[in-house]
Amino acid sequence: NAGVMQNPRHLVRRRGQEARLRCSPMKGHSHVYWYRQLPEEGLKFMVYLQKENIIDESGMPKERFSAEFPKEGPSILRIQQVVRGDSAAYFCASSPPGGGWSGYTFGSGTRLTVV
Amino acid sequence: KQEVTQIPAALSVPEGENLVLNCSFTDSAIYNLQWFRQDPGKGLTSLLLIQSSQREQTSGRLNASLDKSSGRSTLYIAASQPGDSATYLCAVLNTGTASKLTFGTGTRLQVTL
Repeated sequence: NAGVMQNPRHLVRRRGQEARLRCSPMKGHSHVYWYRQLPEEGLKFMVYLQKENIIDESGMPKERFSAEFPKEGPSILRIQQVVRGDSAAYFCASSPPGGGWSGYTFGSGTRLTVV
Repeated sequence: KQEVTQIPAALSVPEGENLVLNCSFTDSAIYNLQWFRQDPGKGLTSLLLIQSSQREQTSGRLNASLDKSSGRSTLYIAASQPGDSATYLCAVLNTGTASKLTFGTGTRLQVTL
């Protein structure tokens, strides 16, 4: 069981470019969650997805950020026209069907640096 | 709105000491509480999950307790080792929002030789 797989581990983008972060949930898990950890801050919820559905995106910035979890393939968090303030660690978590009642498993994160 | 506070923010202890990390939350309507460990530049490792109906969970040298009515949880680490040095995070899952964890800002622990 490979756990939650995130890639890339590190991503450097110039201001104005697009960043794509990928997350493959644990085998048997059908729920995916994205969290952001800004420097010296706690983890903040961004979005909760199931296959082909966004369930809760209340933590997503209104502009430039989008997420998807297609029927096939990993979940993608996309940040368009990145700015320096987007520099952070982005973590993906997954849980079994039914949600977080039995706990969450986190990936190792993608560290985005905007230069 | 749920708020989670962890005290202390940082802690340094000599090897072998027993220690307690504290977590408090403002809204007691939770499904569960989870303790994680985060090493520098790494992801989160789940340590213990306590359901709202439980009082404590144990794993090896770790023991976590939950007092839901008072909005408190503690993580007890026995016989600390240098390898325990990390940031410890607690997170709660609220009823009615069974999708998002609310995290504390963590306790940075250093265990010295």
